Amino acid sequence: RKEVEQDPGPFNVPEGATVAFNCTYSNSASQSFFWYRQDCRKEPKLLMSVYSSGNEDGRFTAQLNRASQYISLLIRDSKLSDSATYLCVVNGGNYQLIWGAGTKLIIKP
Amino acid sequence: GAGVSQSPSNKVTEKGKDVELRCDPISGHTALYWYRQSLGQGLEFLIYFQGNSAPDKSGLPSDRFSAERTGGSVSTLTIQRTQQEDSAVYLCASSLGSPGVEAFFGQGTRLTVV
Repeated sequence: RKEVEQDPGPFNVPEGATVAFNCTYSNSASQSFFWYRQDCRKEPKLLMSVYSSGNEDGRFTAQLNRASQYISLLIRDSKLSDSATYLCVVNGGNYQLIWGAGTKLIIKP
Repeated sequence: GAGVSQSPSNKVTEKGKDVELRCDPISGHTALYWYRQSLGQGLEFLIYFQGNSAPDKSGLPSDRFSAERTGGSVSTLTIQRTQQEDSAVYLCASSLGSPGVEAFFGQGTRLTVV
């Protein structure tokens, strides 16, 4: 089992819809969780950190489920500009950050 | 510098030649990562440095690949006897290496082996 797993997608979603995807992790001792966004031919950039209480930033909501060892990202009222690959990041041993392979999201007009 | 800096931004090399890719992390960042990414593919982990040591080099695809980090700062990724399948974007990221702290990426080096 990979340390961090994501559905590669693509998720094809109409503009304005709500979309959610999950990321599972295997290390129960993980303490740090992030979602990154990567646009085509660009480097990944931090979208949001994921806190144990869950957090929201505008149309984006991130949640952590420690019991089931997954984090989720919910995007409401999706925009064409949300089309990107979303990467899940979890820390492993030695504070090393472990990256998922990413979920590709395509928002269609 | 303000961000992670990688050089060169583009490199075209002939098959069989050696190449060196450089990463200047954000000042004070103890953790440094190298990844490569082929077009349309996900990040492929290569190596992780904590300070000058590499506790995880499990991602290096072959013994043609090596990396070092000196002074806890600049890192160099060396590919010997390059092959066409080495063509990819090589990304470097750095972080403070503490819990709850994110990593920042450089813009990458696009390597093309012809």
